Amino acid sequence: SAVISQKPSRDICQRGTSLTIQCQVDSQVTMMFWYRQQPGQSLTLIATANQGSEATYESGFVIDKFPISRPNLTFSTLTVSNMSPEDSSIYLCSVAINTEAFFGQGTRLTVV
Amino acid sequence: GNSVTQMEGPVTLSEEAFLTINCTYTATGYPSLFWYVQYPGEGLQLLLKATKADDKGSNKGFEATYRKETTSFHLEKGSVQVSDSAVYFCALSEPYNFNKFYFGSGTKLNVKP
Repeated sequence: SAVISQKPSRDICQRGTSLTIQCQVDSQVTMMFWYRQQPGQSLTLIATANQGSEATYESGFVIDKFPISRPNLTFSTLTVSNMSPEDSSIYLCSVAINTEAFFGQGTRLTVV
Repeated sequence: GNSVTQMEGPVTLSEEAFLTINCTYTATGYPSLFWYVQYPGEGLQLLLKATKADDKGSNKGFEATYRKETTSFHLEKGSVQVSDSAVYFCALSEPYNFNKFYFGSGTKLNVKP
């Protein structure tokens, strides 16, 4: 299993600013995943963060908008850049171990 | 491609009622199938899973059977409780990439006393 700590748990940000979300896992994992959960919607995969290489982004998501860092096997950050109200969502960090996905508590972002 | 479709919510039931939440999937090959639950104010947590056809996953009174012939993984519980009120997500992981998950839209369950 895995315990994932995410912070901040929530934030209210001004449009045009950026927010960096941190994700810490209690074990070493090769891949970490970032999801977005828009209000009343399902989870959408933003990108896969591999240690030592560039993140892999899903269709519709770009590095300039969602830069990701992965400095070691237990930590990753996701930045939401130049925010607009449409970026208001819950952002979730996840890892997969033994075919099971584990999630952080999420970061609830509101852009005003 | 891979996708998951689950029934629209919200679903409102009285305590001790029977629950079914439908889930169907599209995938190439044989994915693993999951139900995740999100209680109010909490993150997602695994409820049950099945990794091959005809497997039945079960946990906390919930069950789901992997039906390859109908590409379905419906969630059932014989007698729901108020504490089961949550959002339920059906999901699959790619057959040869167990790290990549696809989620349904989620079904909110409200159980009234």
